[in-house]
Amino acid sequence: EVKLVESGGGLVQPGGSLRLSCAASGFTVSTSYMNWVRQAPGKGLEWVSIIYNGDTTDYPESVKGRFTVSRDSSKNTLYLQMNSLRDEDTAVYYCARGAVGSLAPWGQGTPVTVSS
Amino acid sequence: IVMTQTPLSSSVTLGQPASISCRASQSLVHSDGNIYLSWLQQRPGQPPRLLIYKISNRFSGVPDRFSGSGAGTDFTLDISSVEAEDVGVYYCMQGTQLPYTFGQGTKLEIK
Repeated sequence: EVKLVESGGGLVQPGGSLRLSCAASGFTVSTSYMNWVRQAPGKGLEWVSIIYNGDTTDYPESVKGRFTVSRDSSKNTLYLQMNSLRDEDTAVYYCARGAVGSLAPWGQGTPVTVSS
Repeated sequence: IVMTQTPLSSSVTLGQPASISCRASQSLVHSDGNIYLSWLQQRPGQPPRLLIYKISNRFSGVPDRFSGSGAGTDFTLDISSVEAEDVGVYYCMQGTQLPYTFGQGTKLEIK
C-alpha cells in the first residue's frame, strides 16, 4: 500500500523554526516527485514546495528563502525545514507524491501553529 | 496562473447532477502539448484526494459519476448523480507551470 505519514508539527513562536517529516511506504521517495501543500484554518490549498530529479527544488514566493525541502533515501522520508516562521504560516501541512499537479496519495497532514 | 472556480458553493438534491467550473488566467497547454488540470475532493476532516487528472482522466478508484471536461482555459467537473458521500470541497489545480496553483474551492452540500 502506498502511504504517507507526516509528523513534526506543533506550536512555534514567530521567527522560530520547525522541521516537518513525511515518512513514505510502498514506493521510493528518492525517485519520486514529492510536494508539500498547506491549508490555513478554514482556507483553501496552497502549494509550498516540490523536489524532483535528485535535488531539484522549487517554491512559491511566499516561502522562498525561508523553507527548504529535502529527502533522505535511507529513511525513505521527505522533510520540510521551515525557518523565520510567520503568523501566516499557520496551517495544516500535507505531503503528496506526484508531478504536473497530479498529486496522489496525500498524507493526513500535520498542524503548524505560529503564535507568541 | 490564477485559477477561478464558480460557484463557490452549491446545494444539490440527492440524485441530481452537479457541475463546477474552473477558469485559468492563461492557457494551461504545457510545452509537451498536454494540459495538466486536476480536480481534487476534500471531505470534511479529511486530506484532499485526487479525482481527475489531465482534464478528464479518473484516478484509480474514483466512481464513474465523476467526469471532467474542458480545453484551453475553461474546465468543468460534473457529478452525474450526487450521493451523500460527495459532500465536501472541490478544488481545481493547474500543474502546467510552477508554482502550482489551486482554485478557491467549491463547497458542495446536500439540499
